[in-house]
Amino acid sequence: AQKVTQAQTEISVVEKEDVTLDCVYETRDTTYYLFWYKQPPSGELVFLIRRNSFDEQNEISGRYSWNFQKSTSSFNFTITASQVVDSAVYFCALYLSNQGGKLIFGQGTELSVKP
Amino acid sequence: GAVVSQHPSWVICKSGTSVKIECRSLDFQATTMFWYRQFPKQSLMLMATSNEGSKATYEQGVEKDKFLINHASLTLSTLTVTSAHPEDSSFYICSAGRDRYETEAFFGQGTRLTVV
Repeated sequence: AQKVTQAQTEISVVEKEDVTLDCVYETRDTTYYLFWYKQPPSGELVFLIRRNSFDEQNEISGRYSWNFQKSTSSFNFTITASQVVDSAVYFCALYLSNQGGKLIFGQGTELSVKP
Repeated sequence: GAVVSQHPSWVICKSGTSVKIECRSLDFQATTMFWYRQFPKQSLMLMATSNEGSKATYEQGVEKDKFLINHASLTLSTLTVTSAHPEDSSFYICSAGRDRYETEAFFGQGTRLTVV
């Protein structure tokens, strides 16, 4: 079975704090992709990152960083020095190859950054 | 490239009426399109997979007679919510893939449906 679990339903931090959003996935496929999306109140999905199953290098993009560990089936997302504009719902998603683009989403984590 | 446009962005309709939502790939041909539904404070759940020129594949628990999907061309898929009821009020969002080997997911802006 394929599944994505984001155990943190809601997180609240104060501006400038670092925050990590957890994502654990399940799949028996050896080829897959993992995504993170940001969903602001307007609803659209903002693409943040895609990582394929053969690339375990961690990635940093500005204040965002991602830690992919196949050994623990986790793909965690860290925001450094959080800002109020980071407040949104964040989704982790699993993508299986040869499925034409179908995503399996986690439950989402609602991040609230207070000034 | 790879832009997906969804229309309308929001719609309010009366209970019992039907609503059509369009999903267009603007700069590529989409062999496959996906329709997701998101209830407030919940995740995105796949409703159906729409393949150009063939019948849509619905996920378990999704009524195919209520949610009619038509993928008549390689750039357009439509979702029609028939005889809408207040419990159908939700956020509907589509995504498109270029072929079955697609490794990206291109999303529309979403449609917020409110049935009164």
